[in-house]
Parts: sequence; C-alpha cells; structure tokens
Amino acid sequence: DAGITQSPRYKITETGRQVTLMCHQTWSHSYMFWYRQDLGHGLRLIYYSAAADITDKGEVPDGYVVSRSKTENFPLTLESATRSQTSVYFCASSEQGTFSYEQYFGPGTRLTVT
Amino acid sequence: KNQVEQSPQSLIILEGKNCTLQCNYTVSPFSNLRWYKQDTGRGPVSLTIMTFSENTKSNGRYTATLDADTKQSSLHITASQLSDSASYICVVPSRPPNAGGTSYGKLTFGQGTILTVHP
Repeated sequence: DAGITQSPRYKITETGRQVTLMCHQTWSHSYMFWYRQDLGHGLRLIYYSAAADITDKGEVPDGYVVSRSKTENFPLTLESATRSQTSVYFCASSEQGTFSYEQYFGPGTRLTVT
Repeated sequence: KNQVEQSPQSLIILEGKNCTLQCNYTVSPFSNLRWYKQDTGRGPVSLTIMTFSENTKSNGRYTATLDADTKQSSLHITASQLSDSASYICVVPSRPPNAGGTSYGKLTFGQGTILTVHP
C-alpha cells in the first residue's frame, strides 16, 4: 500500500522552463492539496482539489497550474519557473474536507530553480 | 486574521528529558487542533487531533492538551528519544461558512518548533 507518493523527489531546473511535479494517492481520497514549505514560513497552500475536475486556488497560486482528470493524480505545473519558486513542495490528501478529516502528506519534492 | 503561533522556535534537550511545546491560536470559529511531526526531509505526519470538547489526548509518549477558553494548546513529550528530533507543527482548520464537516476548511499552520534531542 503506497499511500501518497510524489515524483520526482529532487529536481533542478532553469529559470523559464516548465516543470511538472507529480502526486499520486492510492486511497481514493476526494481532496488533494499542494503546499510549498519555505524557511521562515509555515506550509502555504498553492491549490487544492475537492474531486476530479474540481480545483481551487489557495494562498499562493500565482505561477502554478493544476489539473485533476483522475481522482488519484494531482499534478502541479510551474509554467515558467522562477527562482522564487525554489522550495520544497508537499502534496497531501484527505478523505473528505479538511475541516473534520485528517490530511496525509507525501514525502515532498525539493525543487531548485537556477 | 487567523493565526497560529508556536513557541519556542527551537529547543535542545538531552535524551530522556521531558519537554513541552506551545501553540496559541486565534482561528475562529474553532473546531479542532492538530499536531504534526515532521522529520527532516519528510512530509508531516499527524500525531493527534483534538476537538473542542477534549482537554487532553495521548499518543504514546506524546500528550497534547487544549484550553479552548485561552486558545492555547501544548504538546508534552515524555522521556525523549533521539528519534523525537523533528519539527512539530500546530495546525488549526477554519470552519467553512454554511458548510458541513466534509467541506474544505482553510488550514492555518504554525511555523513549527524544531526539537533537537542530544544523547
């Protein structure tokens, strides 16, 4: 039982390039989330999805695009990477909404934009 | 503005000692509070979820307390081990307006307390 996985775990890319971070969960959870974690900040929500084909912005969505064609996958795309997007990205899922249901986090992707 | 503040920012203790981490929140309306443990290079893992009506909840050597009146929570670690070295994050969700428990409630994350346990 893999749970929630992210790929790649580490990525180095250049400014201006497009990069996609993958997230896959095996629990059939309805909700999925993308966060970024930076020194000096708590986890910040980028985008979330309540179900397949339903997505919504979080606190820091600029420069990011998401899609969710299948319940189990929630890719995050940086259309034109900038140095300010260097961060650790975490995917998470929850059975239903976050108000009453626990979130489960993936192992993270460390992205460096040079 | 919803806020979660944790103290101390970092803490160093010797193996076998106890410690207490603090979390103050101003999230309203309040329903539950969560403590997560995040090991270096890994995603956060839930330690406990405390609802409005719970004052104390234990998970092994971890005991969380909640005072909803003063909007404070603490996480007490007993007989610390080297494996307790991690960041501990306090998280409080907001109740979405006109929605039930299955809806998305914005999570407010604290910045975490970094605990280092030395042998």
